[in-house]
Amino acid sequence: GENVEQHPSTLSVQEGDSAVIKCTYSDSASNYFPWYKQELGKRPQLIIDIRSNVGEKKDQRIAVTLNKTAKHFSLHITETQPEDSAVYFCAASIGRSGYSTLTFGKGTMLLVSP
Amino acid sequence: SQTIHQWPATLVQPVGSPLSLECTVEGTSNPNLYWYRQAAGRGLQLLFYSVGIGQISSEVPQNLSASRPQDRQFILSSKKLLLSDSGFYLCAWGGQVNTEAFFGQGTRLTVV
Repeated sequence: GENVEQHPSTLSVQEGDSAVIKCTYSDSASNYFPWYKQELGKRPQLIIDIRSNVGEKKDQRIAVTLNKTAKHFSLHITETQPEDSAVYFCAASIGRSGYSTLTFGKGTMLLVSP
Repeated sequence: SQTIHQWPATLVQPVGSPLSLECTVEGTSNPNLYWYRQAAGRGLQLLFYSVGIGQISSEVPQNLSASRPQDRQFILSSKKLLLSDSGFYLCAWGGQVNTEAFFGQGTRLTVV
């Protein structure tokens, strides 16, 4: 099955700095790559996603890049703010007949210091 | 709009006791439904998924089972809980292939 590796496990930055989280996946059939943010004790929520026909996608301070050849994708957060502090998960999905299942990375705890 | 309800939010159960967690979805028909577990640490592990009533697929062997008695209802059960079943359980629903999964609020289960 699919295997998703995520690095780093913890990332500490100063407010205003950029943060980059990287993920690799194993199954070349994966074609959908969402990123989730989970605040302490709360549910994961989607912040951005990218499909395999696109190499980059941006939404304000957040961007995701995808390299299908190398099977890796990354999350970039610019101008970080303390409220960006949370655990971030990458995931990879293989579409099947009528459904798909997400395989998640182990998460990155992002700490943004004021 | 679609909403997902999951309860209870917190549960403390003794070893060997049964478990029943319920999840319901509103505002959509025939959703794909999922149960995930988040153990101490942060990873999200897929336990079960269902593409329709009575259709359950298991991703990993374990002490748990799932059922889908109605289109928008997904239940996670155990006959006898183990200490290792402690964790944060999340129900999720998804629509079409390769679209976002929406998570419920989660149930924090502590087995003592």
